[in-house]
Amino acid sequence: DARVTQTPRHKVTEMGQEVTMRCQPILGHNTVFWYRQTMMQGLELLAYFRNRAPLDDSGMPKDRFSAEMPDATLATLKIQPSEPRDSAVYFCASGLVASTSYNSPLHFGNGTRLTVT
Amino acid sequence: AQKVTQAQTEISVVEKEDVTLDCVYETRDTTYYLFWYKQPPSGELVFLIRRNSFDEQNEISGRYSWNFQKSTSSFNFTITASQVVDSAVYFCALITKTSGSRLTFGEGTQLTVNP
Repeated sequence: DARVTQTPRHKVTEMGQEVTMRCQPILGHNTVFWYRQTMMQGLELLAYFRNRAPLDDSGMPKDRFSAEMPDATLATLKIQPSEPRDSAVYFCASGLVASTSYNSPLHFGNGTRLTVT
Repeated sequence: AQKVTQAQTEISVVEKEDVTLDCVYETRDTTYYLFWYKQPPSGELVFLIRRNSFDEQNEISGRYSWNFQKSTSSFNFTITASQVVDSAVYFCALITKTSGSRLTFGEGTQLTVNP
């Protein structure tokens, strides 16, 4: 069963430190998403890529967050410097999306639970 | 703009009861898809169902059934004879042609099934 793999599962860090979260999408999927889940805001889309090109990162705080796809098997989400308000669960999801078919179900990873103290 | 509302924040039932989770959506698009995802205590999000805006047929899958009514912009989810393993947060989500690949999620409903 193909899965989206996220590492680490848990991360505790101090304010000001750099945090990097990694995601391995399902092989063959061309679209990768980063979502953040908090109690207050629910599930928010941070950014997404198609064929490794960033399509939308309007949900990300630009000054501290960055998302990249160095290759088709790896997506990264980086926070520098981290702040306590960044504490959340960060999900990566992938899907196979064509221009004529935008409704492909997304497959989510298990998430990275980030705690910034 | 799209919006999904799950008015029930938490529901608690006793095992074997039937339970319905409500989902109301807003969109100006005529072409869209609705989804339900389950988030068990382990944290992952599991895809349950997808329904397109042109298909109002109800769907049943085992103990799960979905009722899609365009007239009321609702896509409700019923679990029949609930089990403890059904305890999870359930999310309704919407994607439209104009939103591209971006899913808009509801706030989620925490379902607790007690033995």
